[in-house]
Amino acid sequence: QKEVEQNSGPLSVPEGAIASLNCTYSDRGSQSFFWYRQYSGKSPELIMSIYSNGDKEDGRFTAQLNKASQYVSLLIRDSQPSDSATYLCAVTTDRGSTLGRLYFGRGTQLTVWP
Amino acid sequence: DTGVSQNPRHKITKRGQNVTFRCDPISEHNRLYWYRQTLGQGPEFLTYFQNEAQLEKSRLLSDRFSAERPKGSFSTLEIQRTEQGDSAMYLCASSFRVAEAFFGQGTRLTVV
Repeated sequence: QKEVEQNSGPLSVPEGAIASLNCTYSDRGSQSFFWYRQYSGKSPELIMSIYSNGDKEDGRFTAQLNKASQYVSLLIRDSQPSDSATYLCAVTTDRGSTLGRLYFGRGTQLTVWP
Repeated sequence: DTGVSQNPRHKITKRGQNVTFRCDPISEHNRLYWYRQTLGQGPEFLTYFQNEAQLEKSRLLSDRFSAERPKGSFSTLEIQRTEQGDSAMYLCASSFRVAEAFFGQGTRLTVV
């Protein structure tokens, strides 16, 4: 059973702060890692992908991957009220019959207050 | 290209009725996925296609569910004899090979 665990929320930060979202995964064969943002009542929107150990930055977002620790995180700098959403961590294995299938965590709800 | 398109956006049906949802993927994407999401949970995998071939179907999926992707283009997901437990958001996603998957707007099903 492939499991993806996210830190329990809700997470509440003030505007301008750094929001830190964490995710661990159970399958060491996981190869690709994604963060999706989901506003209430809407579908998931891909915001970050990361495939190798280290950091990947895109604007205010930084994804961090540590395959040895089976850990992936998302940092949101200068948080804005518009960042308030549920953030979903997803992983895939790139082999066998599960090729490309996404395994999701339950999500962490983030609230950024003005 | 405007992304992945799903229809209808909302569907209310009576228990026992059949429903069918449609997904039009991004045109150059050869992989298409169906997921289901209930409140407070992450999306749960249902099935996926590579071109027209259905490569995997979740063991959690009952025989009442069937999906097709004729000619490797759009896909349909049919639920027969709907039950109240089928109420959920049904999400379609597409990707090119094993790259990032992009989701459609979803179809919200309510079984009454």
